[in-house]
Amino acid sequence: ETGVTQTPRHLVMGMTNKKSLKCEQHLGHNAMYWYKQSAKKPLELMFVYNFKEQTENNSVPSRFSPECPNSSHLFLHLHTLQPEDSALYLCASSQDLWESGNTIYFGEGSWLTVV
Amino acid sequence: AQKITQTQPGMFVQEKEAVTLDCTYDTSDPSYGLFWYKQPSSGEMIFLIYQGSYDQQNATEGRYSLNFQKARKSANLVISASQLGDSAMYFCAMREAITGGGNKLTFGTGTQLKVEL
Repeated sequence: ETGVTQTPRHLVMGMTNKKSLKCEQHLGHNAMYWYKQSAKKPLELMFVYNFKEQTENNSVPSRFSPECPNSSHLFLHLHTLQPEDSALYLCASSQDLWESGNTIYFGEGSWLTVV
Repeated sequence: AQKITQTQPGMFVQEKEAVTLDCTYDTSDPSYGLFWYKQPSSGEMIFLIYQGSYDQQNATEGRYSLNFQKARKSANLVISASQLGDSAMYFCAMREAITGGGNKLTFGTGTQLKVEL
């Protein structure tokens, strides 16, 4: 079992659909992250949560709505997406947001295709 | 603002040979951390190695070592005795402070490594 688990691994949705991506970490970490990876672009940080509180929103459109009910779970709710939102969405976690040396561990990602 | 530069879009290496993947960075923060990750075609981002800006020794993890040259602002990854399973995309990343507290990773554009027989 990996430390950070993401479901679903693959998702195809229409532009009018509402869907959610789920992330669960089994590492006892307190910080969780959503990253977006589009083709031929660097990974982009979307959101950061520390102890369930959002500490970073990197100017993400409101059609992406994160939710962090506890330190182990992170969701990304999706609605009225655009085809350009098709990408790999990576969840990550780290022990503590404040410690510079703490490694950030990633899940396997959710491949999203918007049609 | 911080920046990570990986100038090698693709690299080839023969099996059992060593390979160096380049990474340069730019920051005005005296305290920073540098990471390398491996991403196979499946998508998972796998942590390989970490180097802190104040670490005196170059980091090593098994077949991975980080050639840290602080004055030149470079943090190259060296993979020794390459294996076919090393074929993947490799990303260099730097810890960046978040305004309002905390840290996040800023990534380079990656290097696609292919190991050949």
